[in-house]
Amino acid sequence: QQQVKQSPQSLIVQKGGISIINCAYENTAFDYFPWYQQFPGKGPALLIAIRPDVSEKKEGRFTISFNKSAKQFSLHIMDSQPGDSATYFCAASNTGNQFYFGTGTSLTVIP
Amino acid sequence: DSGVTQTPKHLITATGQRVTLRCSPRSGDLSVYWYQQSLDQGLQFLIQYYNGEERAKGNILERFSAQQFPDLHSELNLSSLELGDSALYFCASSEWVDDSPLHFGNGTRLTVT
Repeated sequence: QQQVKQSPQSLIVQKGGISIINCAYENTAFDYFPWYQQFPGKGPALLIAIRPDVSEKKEGRFTISFNKSAKQFSLHIMDSQPGDSATYFCAASNTGNQFYFGTGTSLTVIP
Repeated sequence: DSGVTQTPKHLITATGQRVTLRCSPRSGDLSVYWYQQSLDQGLQFLIQYYNGEERAKGNILERFSAQQFPDLHSELNLSSLELGDSALYFCASSEWVDDSPLHFGNGTRLTVT
């Protein structure tokens, strides 16, 4: 059973556009929601994270929106750049630091 | 650079063989995790250790085993290898037990022929 569901599987965006990736979860015990960025040949790297006591967190061009009642969270990449082309994973963790990852979204930003 | 070191980077071996993957966590991190990433699939959690003790098990096959040593480095042992075991194996570490982000190494690419 997939604990965290992620969509879309792939995304193509024009340079300067907004990339949006969505995730949903069922387990209300999750209390930490990070996003990871992975380039080919590299391990996933922490991009931005949020806790359920806030509805939005912004770091530069990256924003997480969190809807606790809907059990959904999303990553918004503003002014998308070709260098943002990568695979993005959402994740959720609970007590014990057990992380559950989404299946990933392959983002391609076209110049 | 995440500070997590994995060796080797690449490994090619035959079916039925046994291999050992090694991971050195970030300095100060007590938890180590192993993940498997197959082609076009996400990150499958295998096992978690905290300060030398097993904390959680995921979808780890009985042919696979792991341990974390007193110096906190960890090894993942894969035996009786099958073609389907070909994948990227990632190690990650975290500072503490709860609400600590994972820091991933660059993985070991295992190819079973």
